[in-house]
Amino acid sequence: NAGVTQTPKFRILKIGQSMTLQCAQDMNHNYMYWYRQDPGMGLKLIYYSVGAGITDKGEVPNGYNVSRSTTEDFPLRLELAAPSQTSVYFCASSYSASGSTGELFFGEGSRLTVL
Amino acid sequence: GQSLEQPSEVTAVEGAIVQINCTYQTSGFYGLSWYQQHDGGAPTFLSYNGLDGLEETGRFSSFLSRSDSYGYLLLQELQMKDSASYFCAVRVVRDDKIIFGKGTRLHILP
Repeated sequence: NAGVTQTPKFRILKIGQSMTLQCAQDMNHNYMYWYRQDPGMGLKLIYYSVGAGITDKGEVPNGYNVSRSTTEDFPLRLELAAPSQTSVYFCASSYSASGSTGELFFGEGSRLTVL
Repeated sequence: GQSLEQPSEVTAVEGAIVQINCTYQTSGFYGLSWYQQHDGGAPTFLSYNGLDGLEETGRFSSFLSRSDSYGYLLLQELQMKDSASYFCAVRVVRDDKIIFGKGTRLHILP
């Protein structure tokens, strides 16, 4: 059981380049989230999705885009990369039924450096 | 808006008990969760309080008081492997966002 899989694990981008961070989960979770974590800091919500075809902005959405065409996949697109986007990105998913804990299952993270 | 406040660092001795507090300002949430994150790793789920009171899972316990907008994580019989960052988090009823506190770095002394 793979859980939440993120690719790539590491990436170096030049300023102005674009890229997509991939996230896939095989637990049939309807909720998926993207967070970024700067060194020594907490997790900031970028975008999230409560089901296929539905996405919404989090706390820090500027400079990013997402799509959710299937339940399994939730890619994060970085357009025109900037040094401020250097961070560790975590994708997570959860089961959302009423009464559930809403436990988030995290991928291993994608470490992105923009130079 | 929503915010969760935690102490940035806590230091305790191996074998002792430590409490990590989380105070929040948020409208309507399903429950308070706690996550552990070791350096270089991903956060992992520790506990959840949907109702007020104490939840116990082995050496870890978590508490929630909605009337006081306050919760805590209690770690007993501290081990060196408990050295990590601990985050409280809530899922907001209005929009299903899951928001995290800034985290508490736990240092354990031998």
